[in-house]
Amino acid sequence: EAGVVQSPRYKIIEKKQPVAFWCNPISGHNTLYWYLQNLGQGPELLIRYENEEAVDDSQLPKDRFSAERLKGVDSTLKIQPAELGDSAVYLCASSLGTGAEETQYFGPGTRLLVL
Amino acid sequence: SQQGEEDPQALSIQEGENATMNCSYKTSINNLQWYRQNSGRGLVHLILIRSNEREKHSGRLRVTLDTSKKSSSLLITASRAADTASYFCAYGNNRLAFGKGNQVVVIP
Repeated sequence: EAGVVQSPRYKIIEKKQPVAFWCNPISGHNTLYWYLQNLGQGPELLIRYENEEAVDDSQLPKDRFSAERLKGVDSTLKIQPAELGDSAVYLCASSLGTGAEETQYFGPGTRLLVL
Repeated sequence: SQQGEEDPQALSIQEGENATMNCSYKTSINNLQWYRQNSGRGLVHLILIRSNEREKHSGRLRVTLDTSKKSSSLLITASRAADTASYFCAYGNNRLAFGKGNQVVVIP
């Protein structure tokens, strides 16, 4: 069974440019998460979807970040415009159900560098 | 946000030795999870321990949970070079909060 797929794996952009990340969760997983991971830190939740509904987006900087999960499967995370401080790894994860007890399955992440 | 704190932050050991790392948290929890992250990869779930459990084993992993002290420990026995990774505790009742992580280097 394929795991969580993310693309691109690496992205280098100049500040003020837009950037988008794509995630395909494990088939059948209803819950999808986007995390931001800074160097030497643990992941921090940006947004959580249950099917196509964003149920926890309180940590998403909505002035520049947006996300969507059309049809409750694939998801995209967008930053516009990107700032230097957005350089980080963006991780996507999925789980069968919701709740903190669920095992989350992570993709390899997209490493973003903003110059 | 609720962030677990792992201690120590970095650990370097010889292959075959045991590695112990700790995590503390600040609120009441129903369960606590440990994840591993190899360099340049996503996180992989290792083990979950519930609040009514004190100790749990999985292969070479041993996890303890002390809810009175709000702390957990992860022990890796007979370490291997492939255990070189960062280890994170994660907890939360609605949203998982990840700790800062322990970097473990196992020297062959």
